Amino acid sequence: DTGVSQNPRHKITKRGQNVTFRCDPISEHNRLYWYRQTLGQGPEFLTYFQNEAQLEKSRLLSDRFSAERPKGSFSTLEIQRTEQGDSAMYLCASSLTSRPLYNEQFFGPGTRLTVL
Amino acid sequence: DQQVKQNSPSLSVQEGRISILNCDYTNSMFDYFLWYKKYPAEGPTFLISISSIKDKNEDGRFTVFLNKSAKHLSLHIVPSQPGDSAVYFCAASGSSGTYKYIFGTGTRLKVLA
Repeated sequence: DTGVSQNPRHKITKRGQNVTFRCDPISEHNRLYWYRQTLGQGPEFLTYFQNEAQLEKSRLLSDRFSAERPKGSFSTLEIQRTEQGDSAMYLCASSLTSRPLYNEQFFGPGTRLTVL
Repeated sequence: DQQVKQNSPSLSVQEGRISILNCDYTNSMFDYFLWYKKYPAEGPTFLISISSIKDKNEDGRFTVFLNKSAKHLSLHIVPSQPGDSAVYFCAASGSSGTYKYIFGTGTRLKVLA
């Protein structure tokens, strides 16, 4: 399967613990996005990488959140000192810049985080 | 500030009939619009898109209409099939910067057999 993959698919943690999620984009895609989706809402943008450079972070991304994309391939999203309000589906998407301006983002299956 | 709005949380349609899902946006800088379909426990799947230079785009049973003056787009599914039952998200993007998507809150479509 050459789509976007995310691991783990589910994570249950206790408040105050740190968690890390991984996203493997489609191999030739240079753009990588993280979104968060809560119940009854659409996905909300968190951060964006072009290759290994993190070019934009949403105000939703507090200082407890950090994302990396070493070598411009897979990406990790870490949440430190988790809070119950962090419970959500975390979605990763990737796209390619070869077409001018417009390119569909391909989404992974998401990681569902539950903070107890 | 909800820049992309889907005012109908749910819609039920008989199999074989037309499904019309609506979306409104407020930011005139958006110039690319997409529809995604989402099944439970899966990520959103791209369905169809339209750029602001067009007012209609068609792909099989799916057609998206864009009315720029009204800042409104709609997705038509004809004929509707039970497998179309899912949550549909409208998304909008600008033509500069990160091309991040701004999503609506979704409409749950149920196609009745």
